[in-house]
Amino acid sequence: QSVLTQPPSASGTPGQRVTISCSGSSSNIGTNYVHWYQQLPGTAPRLLIYRNNQRPSGVPDRFSASKSGTSASLAISGLRSEDEADYYCAAWDDSLSGWVFGGGTKLTVL
Amino acid sequence: QVQLVQSGAEVKKPGASVKLSCKASGYTFTNYYIHWIRQAPGQGLEWMGIINPTGGSTTYAQKLQGRVTMTRDTTSSTVYMELSSLRSDDTAVYYCARSSGYSELLDYWGQGTLVTVSS
Repeated sequence: QSVLTQPPSASGTPGQRVTISCSGSSSNIGTNYVHWYQQLPGTAPRLLIYRNNQRPSGVPDRFSASKSGTSASLAISGLRSEDEADYYCAAWDDSLSGWVFGGGTKLTVL
Repeated sequence: QVQLVQSGAEVKKPGASVKLSCKASGYTFTNYYIHWIRQAPGQGLEWMGIINPTGGSTTYAQKLQGRVTMTRDTTSSTVYMELSSLRSDDTAVYYCARSSGYSELLDYWGQGTLVTVSS
């Protein structure tokens, strides 16, 4: 059971916009930054969004994210087949003194 | 460029120990913490702990206290993670990742090491 809650799956057709939610608590998302990772099949997670809504260089601006209270969301616009991957939210948890992750959302591009 | 290169796959029997390595390059080793995160087959990510390469201080996830030990060798810019009393549910891909601060984002990850625990 993951500390952060994500929907297990999401889907969309090419060109569509999809959003993935992430719910936590006051000890993690409520107090600390949320980061998002993309994991392509058979590869390590890759930083996609950091500090709630910042994109590392090389990440297309089709990816955006936001945070409000104890929840966060990732949005992908102009969906492409190469976006098919697992997406994880992550935050530092002050109560656990460690990183907590969502269970991951498998994005399918139909 | 920043690289975290991990050791190869391991197969262990229940009750044994495994020691994995994570060799850093492309940055100043002592300026970044190293974390270990694992992912069981088809499952999500689980944080295991953190080591400060400067002094070697560690913090472990409560669930793994007593079974996990993280060490470092500054001369080779390598961090090690040893997990003892292995069980079948320790079967997972183990990743190392770095952060610039204790609770800062995990910006670069190793390629992962598959550990299979089977009799």
